[in-house]
Amino acid sequence: EIVLTQSPATLSLSPGERATLSCRASQSIGSHLAWFQQKPGQAPRLLIYDASNRATGIPARFSGSGSGTDFTLTISSLEPEDFAVYYCQQRSRWPLTFGGGTKVEIK
Amino acid sequence: EVQLLESGGGLVQPGGSLRLSCEASGFTFSSYAMTWVRQAPGKGLEWVSAISGSGGATYYADSVQGRFTISRDNSKNTLYLQMNSLGAEDTAVYYCAKESGYNGYDNFDYWGQGILVTVSS
Repeated sequence: EIVLTQSPATLSLSPGERATLSCRASQSIGSHLAWFQQKPGQAPRLLIYDASNRATGIPARFSGSGSGTDFTLTISSLEPEDFAVYYCQQRSRWPLTFGGGTKVEIK
Repeated sequence: EVQLLESGGGLVQPGGSLRLSCEASGFTFSSYAMTWVRQAPGKGLEWVSAISGSGGATYYADSVQGRFTISRDNSKNTLYLQMNSLGAEDTAVYYCAKESGYNGYDNFDYWGQGILVTVSS
């Protein structure tokens, strides 16, 4: 099973700041990585697929990068609605797996 | 507009069974794989099972293999998850999600609102 390790567990930032979230895979997954955003009481929402492609309707302040084992989600300037939990997920090998999540909270 | 509506959740005793349904609309259901993801209270996301657009290929997490069965009825635009031998570890919100492709290992581009399954005596 491919293990995805997200860091940090919690990121405390202010609106307008830049957020950098990391996801590391236990083995190479090419570019088969997605990022999801989840707010309390809501379903996850697809932000980024195939490491760097924004999903439909996702603002340009969200960007993804990386390949192989190291991936990054960047939020260039945090908006109030961006404070949430973010998960990475790989679809390179069965079973599909998620990272443990990074909570972006207001400082 | 893509819509996914889960139903069938609730309280079940340990060792019991439950069948979840996910009614889909707003897209050609048979053209896309579907998946189930769950989230235990206060925990992260766990992929559970996936099925191809035709239903001919199914995939399971080790934690549910042999106990859960995924299926679909393309004539009814409905996805199912039959859950047997339930234990406390299966307590979670269960989400159905549409995949962006046909085969069962594509991106989860649309999600339902989730349905709570509680396993307790």
